[in-house]
Amino acid sequence: GAGVSQSPRYKVAKRGQDVALRCDPISGHVSLFWYQQALGQGPEFLTYFQNEAQLDKSGLPSDRFFAERPEGSVSTLKIQRTQQEDSAVYLCASSFRTPRGTEAFFGQGTRLTVV
Amino acid sequence: QQQVKQSPQSLIVQKGGISIINCAYENTAFDYFPWYQQFPGKGPALLIAIRPDVSEKKEGRFTISFNKSAKQFSLHIMDSQPGDSATYFCAAWPAWGGADGLTFGKGTHLIIHP
Repeated sequence: GAGVSQSPRYKVAKRGQDVALRCDPISGHVSLFWYQQALGQGPEFLTYFQNEAQLDKSGLPSDRFFAERPEGSVSTLKIQRTQQEDSAVYLCASSFRTPRGTEAFFGQGTRLTVV
Repeated sequence: QQQVKQSPQSLIVQKGGISIINCAYENTAFDYFPWYQQFPGKGPALLIAIRPDVSEKKEGRFTISFNKSAKQFSLHIMDSQPGDSATYFCAAWPAWGGADGLTFGKGTHLIIHP
């Protein structure tokens, strides 16, 4: 596709439920990032993949958060036992080269609401 | 610890005026400074970016001014238009160390009055 695609656009989960958020990066992009954006705040870095390798997961807030990119293209962010504080927009971004100082293209995000 | 401080939080400018948003940072390892524009319900989109080897970069109506010694950079939007109404984020990326993702400011909600 022409841009980064994320699905679903909206997700409502009951507290304690597991959720999976999908990201389709731009074809050929080596780098893939996940960010969390709370209401009225800037995006916060969660994790980074270079192809299929997860090179940085320093931003994941707890061990309930897990991300994978098994074939170096599509990525899934999974949140287990969701809590209300997990409510946010989850953004995926990709870039053509390795990460630092290159343009990152963002998807529209998945808005997660935990009730 | 907030590594990139952005101000103001909100800004109202008349059509045709100049919008100015400021950011300050502390980490001297930062060496790439992009500005992103975000409309409601959309992801951030890159507007313009600068590296610290230049003091100014201009693209159309958008200009970044960079002051390395003060560790500050700003976005100027000339001839502001109602279509520029959006949330703007400054960000920074270190050349080494730290996380592999961008560090964002908290954002500025810009409203351009017609």
